Amino acid sequence: GAVVSQHPSRVICKSGTSVKIECRSLDFQATTMFWYRQFPKKSLMLMATSNEGSKATYEQGVEKDKFLINHASLTLSTLTVTSAHPEDSSFYICSAFGTGEPLYGYTFGSGTRLTVV
Amino acid sequence: RKEVEQDPGPFNVPEGATVAFNCTYSNSASQSFFWYRQDCRKEPKLLMSVYSSGNEDGRFTAQLNRASQYISLLIRDSKLSDSATYLCVVNVLHSNYQLIWGAGTKLIIKP
Repeated sequence: GAVVSQHPSRVICKSGTSVKIECRSLDFQATTMFWYRQFPKKSLMLMATSNEGSKATYEQGVEKDKFLINHASLTLSTLTVTSAHPEDSSFYICSAFGTGEPLYGYTFGSGTRLTVV
Repeated sequence: RKEVEQDPGPFNVPEGATVAFNCTYSNSASQSFFWYRQDCRKEPKLLMSVYSSGNEDGRFTAQLNRASQYISLLIRDSKLSDSATYLCVVNVLHSNYQLIWGAGTKLIIKP
């Protein structure tokens, strides 16, 4: 089946540094990538939507200069948390949407647990 | 009003019992409906899509009522492994395939 590989699974970083999270679609082309954030005991909150080759669309309240999204190819999207602060500590998950065989639908990465100290 | 609403629970249910969750959605342009399950500290996993005619997958039955704009999930003969958070999800027409997520209903199956 379709797989999205997300790395790293866990990261601890110092306040003020940047962290890059990668999501790769294996065996299919991800035309659209969704980036979510989930705080403990809360629902997934969509941060941004990116289509391959174009700028990401950010949800209200999400700073585009802080959360940099790059979707340069149909198999790779990255989220960079710049100048991270403790309040950015969260569970970040990507979800790839692809069309055509062998996939139609959404596939999630396994998530990245970010802790900013 | 939230776009997708669910009772957060938790539902504490004895093993072997039947449990049902409901979910309501506000956007009449919603076109696709799903139930996902999420285990603690894990990514959501698709449990089943929900079709207009209703559909069943083993012990799980999903129903859609477009007129009342609600979706249901029924779990029969519940197992300990069914303990998780169940997320109701809809996709709205012309939304660039964006999914709208409910906050989830927590289910705890007790032995």
